[in-house]
Parts: sequence; C-alpha cells; structure tokens
Amino acid sequence: RKEVEQDPGPFNVPEGATVAFNCTYSNSASQSFFWYRQDCRKEPKLLMSVYSSGNEDGRFTAQLNRASQYISLLIRDSKLSDSATYLCVVNRGAGGFKTIFGAGTRLFVKA
Amino acid sequence: EADIYQTPRYLVIGTGKKITLECSQTMGHDKMYWYQQDPGMELHLIHYSYGVNSTEKGDLSSESTVSRIRTEHFPLTLESARPSHTSQYLCASSEGDPRSYGYTFGSGTRLTVV
Repeated sequence: RKEVEQDPGPFNVPEGATVAFNCTYSNSASQSFFWYRQDCRKEPKLLMSVYSSGNEDGRFTAQLNRASQYISLLIRDSKLSDSATYLCVVNRGAGGFKTIFGAGTRLFVKA
Repeated sequence: EADIYQTPRYLVIGTGKKITLECSQTMGHDKMYWYQQDPGMELHLIHYSYGVNSTEKGDLSSESTVSRIRTEHFPLTLESARPSHTSQYLCASSEGDPRSYGYTFGSGTRLTVV
C-alpha cells in the first residue's frame, strides 16, 4: 500500500460545478500537507497549504482530518482553467525529513 | 517568469552517452532537489543538497550524480545513459524547510534515451 493515495480520476465536471478530492496518508507522524497543481507536461506548482483549521483561497478550500488521516481539496464554481492534475503532498519529520507525493487526481472541466 | 531554470527542456540521446542536466535558481535558496517523474506517476527524490558542497542521495536508486559548487547551480550528470533513464527530471528549490515553505519547481527536462 502506498503511503499517500489519491483517486487518479479522471473527474469530468461541467463549468460551475463544485468538485472535491480526497487524499489519504498512512503515516501518523506526517506533519505538514500541501496541494500542488500540475498541468499536462508541466512542472508542479504549489496551490495551497493544508491546516487542521482549514485553509481557503478564493474558490479553493483545503481541509485536514488528522483522526482519519486524510486531506481534501474543494473547488467551487469550476473554471475551464482548473483542468489539471492535483497532487497531494505529505511531509513527515520522524526519522529524518521526507516528502511524499501522491500520484495525483486528474480533473477535466468541460464547457 | 521562472526563478528556477532547467536546460535542456527536451533531450533525445543515444545509449551510452554522458549527459548533464542543468538547473539554476536566482532565489538564493540553500536547499535544492532533483525529482524524477514518469507519466501519471508520483515524483521520486533522487538527489538533494542543503548547501554548497553538500549533496545526498534520495529515496530512488539512481545512477546519476550531482554537484553543488555554487548556491545557484545544481547540475545532474548521467555518465552512461540507458533507455531505463527515460523520464522527466524536475529540479526544485525551497526557501527554507519544505515542510513549511513547499517547493518551487523548474519546468523540467524530458529525457529520452534511444
């Protein structure tokens, strides 16, 4: 089992829809969490950090549930330009710092 | 505009050739990294550096080597390329602890070994 798991999708949604992705992690020593966005054949770009208290940036909301060991990303009012792969990233510090990238969830927003 | 630059963007090369992938950043970051990513797959850390003259191997076994003679420059070298090295190579840097700051990635080098 992978340490960080994401539904690969693809999620196909119409413009204006609300869509949510989850990402589960298995190591309870995980300390910090991020969502990155990666466009096709491009580099990942930091989208937002994820906090236990939740984090909102415009149409994007990220949440962390430590008890159930998952993070989520909610996108409201989807735009065509939101079409991308969303990578879940988990950092843990026990036994030496380590970053684990999920394989990503693909989102297609259709007109 | 990019603050971390990778060259070349694409490279097709024959088996057995020596290649160097270049990575430079203008942000003054001490921490730099090389990741490898196959299509639709996770990124895997192959090398990292926490400053000049500091280099370490990452999680993914790699036949490549790196050097860090200057803060801004972190090249990756393959002494003898093989088809199994075909992949995308992403260079990244971090302002501080990536647990707090995350990573800034270069645009990548897509390597094909024939």
